[in-house]
Amino acid sequence: AQTVTQSQPEMSVQEAETVTLSCTYDTSESDYYLFWYKQPPSRQMILVIRQEAYKQQNATENRFSVNFQKAAKSFSLKISDSQLGDAAMYFCAYTTQGGSEKLVFGKGMKLTVNP
Amino acid sequence: DVKVTQSSRYLVKRTGEKVFLECVQDMDHENMFWYRQDPGLGLRLIYFSYDVKMKEKGDIPEGYSVSREKKERFSLILESASTNQTSMYLCASSFNWAANQPQHFGDGTRLSIL
Repeated sequence: AQTVTQSQPEMSVQEAETVTLSCTYDTSESDYYLFWYKQPPSRQMILVIRQEAYKQQNATENRFSVNFQKAAKSFSLKISDSQLGDAAMYFCAYTTQGGSEKLVFGKGMKLTVNP
Repeated sequence: DVKVTQSSRYLVKRTGEKVFLECVQDMDHENMFWYRQDPGLGLRLIYFSYDVKMKEKGDIPEGYSVSREKKERFSLILESASTNQTSMYLCASSFNWAANQPQHFGDGTRLSIL
């Protein structure tokens, strides 16, 4: 069975600094997709960034980028120039290509941004 | 923008009651999902549907059922609510048969069973 592990339940970062959130996963599939979702306090969960396993280039979305290491089954999220609005729960998620598109989520990590 | 609307943000029910959680999406998505979110456990899939009247069990279907009579609406039913079903429930939707399409989430329903 596929599993997603976020080993750090909580992290904090100073405003304007950089923070890296770690995620590892376990799968025997060769084609799959990885996602980072953000859930601000009392607000809707939204997609931050996604990575296709067949792409070697790491995905980037403005201040958010990933370090995807397929052999190590690692998918970390780097947030640059952290802002107060980045404070949220962050979930790493995995799904295989095609089929029913079920997502497997990690347990989440709470990020605090200090002013 | 995709809009996924859950009928209630907060709901309080009693043990043994039949509870309905409603979810509506406005983007003609084929797939709809119900998750349960608990601290330290992340999101766990209860049921999902990839078409009208179609449903499949997720990882924790026990004590729940679902209904999808129309494409835009997906209902989660707690047949006889129990205190261990107190949780945050999230509905999501997405286009089908394309794993790289992200799921869009509702605001969640925080359900308390007394």
